[in-house]
Amino acid sequence: GQQVMQIPQYQHVQEGEDFTTYCNSSTTLSNIQWYKQRPGGHPVFLIQLVKSGEVKKQKRLTFQFGEAKKNSSLHITATQTTDVGTYFCLPPSGGGNKLTFGTGTQLKVEL
Amino acid sequence: DAGVIQSPRHEVTEMGQEVTLRCKPISGHDYLFWYRQTMMRGLELLIYFNNNVPIDDSGMPEDRFSAKMPNASFSTLKIQPSEPRDSAVYFCASSDLTGNTEAFFGQGTRLTVV
Repeated sequence: GQQVMQIPQYQHVQEGEDFTTYCNSSTTLSNIQWYKQRPGGHPVFLIQLVKSGEVKKQKRLTFQFGEAKKNSSLHITATQTTDVGTYFCLPPSGGGNKLTFGTGTQLKVEL
Repeated sequence: DAGVIQSPRHEVTEMGQEVTLRCKPISGHDYLFWYRQTMMRGLELLIYFNNNVPIDDSGMPEDRFSAKMPNASFSTLKIQPSEPRDSAVYFCASSDLTGNTEAFFGQGTRLTVV
């Protein structure tokens, strides 16, 4: 499957601060998915982006797909302790039909 | 549907013993995936099935690991013999069309080999 680079690997923020994680690919992606895994939990699907330049919002979360469809970002406005977890982007499966996750970004929110 | 069901939730076993992890995917899903998650390596894809057929097992670490899917509603991941370095959380996930629809994960099995 295709791999993307996700940065940063770790991020500590104070509650109320914003947070952004980025996924970058060297090749054009047909789509990209985002998942969240809470500590001790399992990955849970958040959203899928398909169109060039697409922007989708879920409350305080804003997801973007780049114009060239080579990068994507997840931005959280005014983080809360409930946002704690690891956020993964998942590129399309490619010829092998795999679902290969990257390293993810671990977010910690401090009061 | 109750979602992807994995059992057991926790398993503690002694080195050298055989371990069998079980998974029931969501009914109607054609794809089933086994992952291993550790602090060091993150979330690794071990093997996946399409319509009960193993498609890619390149992620399986060694011959001690084997996976089967005898029917559309059941899969096993077996480790024989188990070693302490196999300690990890093992997730099973299913989807109906990879890359285009979401994958649903089970709660995972936390394996500890002592």
